[in-house]
Amino acid sequence: GDSVTQMEGPVTLSEEAFLTINCTYTATGYPSLFWYVQYPGEGLQLLLKATKADDKGSNKGFEATYRKETTSFHLEKGSVQVSDSAVYFCVLIQGAQKLVFGQGTRLTINP
Amino acid sequence: KAGVTQTPRYLIKTRGQQVTLSCSPISGHRSVSWYQQTPGQGLQFLFEYFSETQRNKGNFPGRFSGRQFSNSRSEMNVSTLELGDSALYLCASSLGASGGYEQYFGPGTRLTVT
Repeated sequence: GDSVTQMEGPVTLSEEAFLTINCTYTATGYPSLFWYVQYPGEGLQLLLKATKADDKGSNKGFEATYRKETTSFHLEKGSVQVSDSAVYFCVLIQGAQKLVFGQGTRLTINP
Repeated sequence: KAGVTQTPRYLIKTRGQQVTLSCSPISGHRSVSWYQQTPGQGLQFLFEYFSETQRNKGNFPGRFSGRQFSNSRSEMNVSTLELGDSALYLCASSLGASGGYEQYFGPGTRLTVT
């Protein structure tokens, strides 16, 4: 079945550092790909999405490019802030509304 | 526009009991999905309802069931609770039934089974 594998956490960085969280997927067909974020004490929120190969999703300084040839959707940000501390989930969906989540990566940004 | 609401937010039950959780979707949304979040298994899909019909079901035992009402509100029920059912249960709603529609998540119901 479809699956998502993302970088093991936790990840700790200093403010203004460059962030990469790796994500690869296994799926038949052409899924849509998402990054969701879960801030402390809050619900899951959609951060960005890409629906076809070579699409780049972006939001709040975060970017991810749908790479069909490497089945990857790595999340990047050029300069992280303390407020980016959260758990990040790489997610795929294909067809119906069933989301398949990666295991989540806890990110902590120190001032 | 009000977001997805879930009630109750916290619940403590004893093994063997049953529990019902409620989810009210965003107004106008007709699809409701349920997910279980645990430290060990992460986020796992339970089931999805659209227009009162269950369209998808995840790999959970029959003790987990759900339904959707004509106003799109949804409930999930867990019977004969086990310690391993302790988890955060998340509900998400979306406008439509296909994967192209964004899912909006509620804050979750934290269930503790003792």
